[in-house]
Amino acid sequence: EDKVVQSPLSLVVHEGDTVTLNCSYEVTNFRSLLWYKQEKKAPTFLFMLTSSGIEKKSGRLSSILDKKELFSILNITATQTGDSAIYLCAVEGPWGAQKLVFGQGTRLTINP
Amino acid sequence: NAGVTQTPKFRVLKTGQSMTLLCAQDMNHEYMYWYRQDPGMGLRLIHYSVGEGTTAKGEVPDGYNVSRLKKQNFLLGLESAAPSQTSVYFCASKKARTTDEQFFGPGTRLTVL
Repeated sequence: EDKVVQSPLSLVVHEGDTVTLNCSYEVTNFRSLLWYKQEKKAPTFLFMLTSSGIEKKSGRLSSILDKKELFSILNITATQTGDSAIYLCAVEGPWGAQKLVFGQGTRLTINP
Repeated sequence: NAGVTQTPKFRVLKTGQSMTLLCAQDMNHEYMYWYRQDPGMGLRLIHYSVGEGTTAKGEVPDGYNVSRLKKQNFLLGLESAAPSQTSVYFCASKKARTTDEQFFGPGTRLTVL
């Protein structure tokens, strides 16, 4: 069965800290891995990763994929209170309409 | 562009009642999806559609039906609501087969008593 597991499930840090969120997957015929940020409402897209070892970067956020070890990490440096959210990892396989299988999410809280 | 919109935003039902959730997108996307989100379980796919007039089952389809009569709309129906269907429901859409990002609506919080 296709599976996506995120860790930790919950993380509380102080503003300015650096955090690393983990996502491991077991998916047949992997196509891509996506990261989303969910604040109060709809998830918003952060990154899509398809190739191993190539870092995607957007401001203080970066992500990398390891297709051999079947995991991805999302790094956030110099965290701010606005980074507080649930971070969702999802994997897309070749099934039908490119359905996404989501992990449970990591709830990140940044304290001032 | 409004993007993906959902109505209603909140709803409370009694066990056995029925209701329809509406998802609309104005981006001319081909693919549309319905998810439910429960605490500690991420998002789970209920049903999806690859184009007007088509629907297919996702991971947790039991107790739900869908229809896609128009390309821009995707309806999710609960014929006889149960407390286990208390959840937050998200609709999402995607442009085409060769693109990967799904755009999400703001969600509908449904409580079944």
